[in-house]
Order: sequence, then C-alpha cells, then structure tokens
Amino acid sequence: KAGVTQTPRYLIKTRGQQVTLSCSPISGHRSVSWYQQTPGQGLQFLFEYFSETQRNKGNFPGRFSGRQFSNSRSEMNVSTLELGDSALYLCASSLVSGPVNTEAFFGQGTRLTVV
Amino acid sequence: QQQVKQSPQSLIVQKGGISIINCAYENTAFDYFPWYQQFPGKGPALLIAIRPDVSEKKEGRFTISFNKSAKQFSLHIMDSQPGDSATYFCAARGRNTGRRALTFGSGTRLQVQP
Repeated sequence: KAGVTQTPRYLIKTRGQQVTLSCSPISGHRSVSWYQQTPGQGLQFLFEYFSETQRNKGNFPGRFSGRQFSNSRSEMNVSTLELGDSALYLCASSLVSGPVNTEAFFGQGTRLTVV
Repeated sequence: QQQVKQSPQSLIVQKGGISIINCAYENTAFDYFPWYQQFPGKGPALLIAIRPDVSEKKEGRFTISFNKSAKQFSLHIMDSQPGDSATYFCAARGRNTGRRALTFGSGTRLQVQP
C-alpha cells in the first residue's frame, strides 16, 4: 500500500511569489492535514480537510490556504511568500475525521526555501 | 501557548541502554497521545500511541507510560540501538471536532552511541 505522497520534494521561491504544494493521501484515507515544521517553532498545524471541506484551521495568516479534491488529494497554497515561510511542509492522512481518533501518517514533506 | 512540553531536548544513550523521553500536557480534552520518530530528510513516522484509559502500552522495544492524574506520558526505548538515533516527538489530540489537530512537543534528539 503506497504511503502519503507529497510533491514536489524541494522548492525554491522568491519573496512575494506564490507556491502550491500537493499531497496524495494513502488510498482510502479521506482526511488530510497539513503541518509546518521549522527549527524555531517545531511542528505546527495548518489545516485539516475531510470530504473537500476544511474542518480545522491553525493560527496562520490568510496567505496560507488549502483545498481538497473529490479523490481526497489535497493542495496547499501560500501567497505573497515571506522569508519566514521557509520550512518543511508536511501532509498527514487519516482514515476518518470525527470523534474517533485514528492514526495520522505523514508524507516525506516538501522543503520550501524562500529567498 | 505550548500545550505539550517535552524533555529532554537532547539525549545521549549507550547501545543497549534505556532511553526515556517525557511529555506533559495541559489540555484535559486531549485523549489520544502518539509518539513519532523522525529521521533527517524524512517525515515523522508513527511509532506507538496510547489512549488515557490505559496506563501502559508496549510494542516491541517501545513502551508508553501514561499518568492521567499528573497529565504526563513518557516513551521508553529498551535496548537502545544506534539505528534508533533520530528525533522523537510526542503529540496529543482531542476528541472534539474543533480540536482534532495534533499538538506536538518540541522534540528530543536521541543519539545512541555504539
């Protein structure tokens, strides 16, 4: 069974540009969450999608957005990039989203560098 | 507000020794506590998880101990091996729909010396 696939693995962008990252969850998983990992702030929750709907959102500015498609694949977009957006962006998939806690499996991440 | 505090920040253990990493949480709405292992250049990998209705869970060399009254939980790695050298994160998640994000500890860099 294939794991969580994130593309691209590495990305270099210039300040002010925008970027789109992609995540394909484990087959059958319908919940996708995004996290930002930096040396200073650690792992921080961005948002969660289930059935094409955003279920939860972390404390990030509106420049960070996402969406989920009918096949559960998800994208996140960062507009007007800032140097501080340089980070490893991780996608995690879970079987369900709801009262039952199910395991979250992470992809390898996309390393975004803003110059 | 840091809701999950993890210690130590780094840990050096001899091969065959026991590695112990501790976490404490504040939010009593948390009811799922996983541990993740992360190698450089990789995403976090789920190691083991526990729910608050049990005090201990063991999987191979990895054991979680959970103290609900103290709001603390810890990871014990028995017979630590050089291949266990990685960064370990504890995490917590709530039951309510609005609190389903994983809240992570700050991480512990473990080095197992041969």
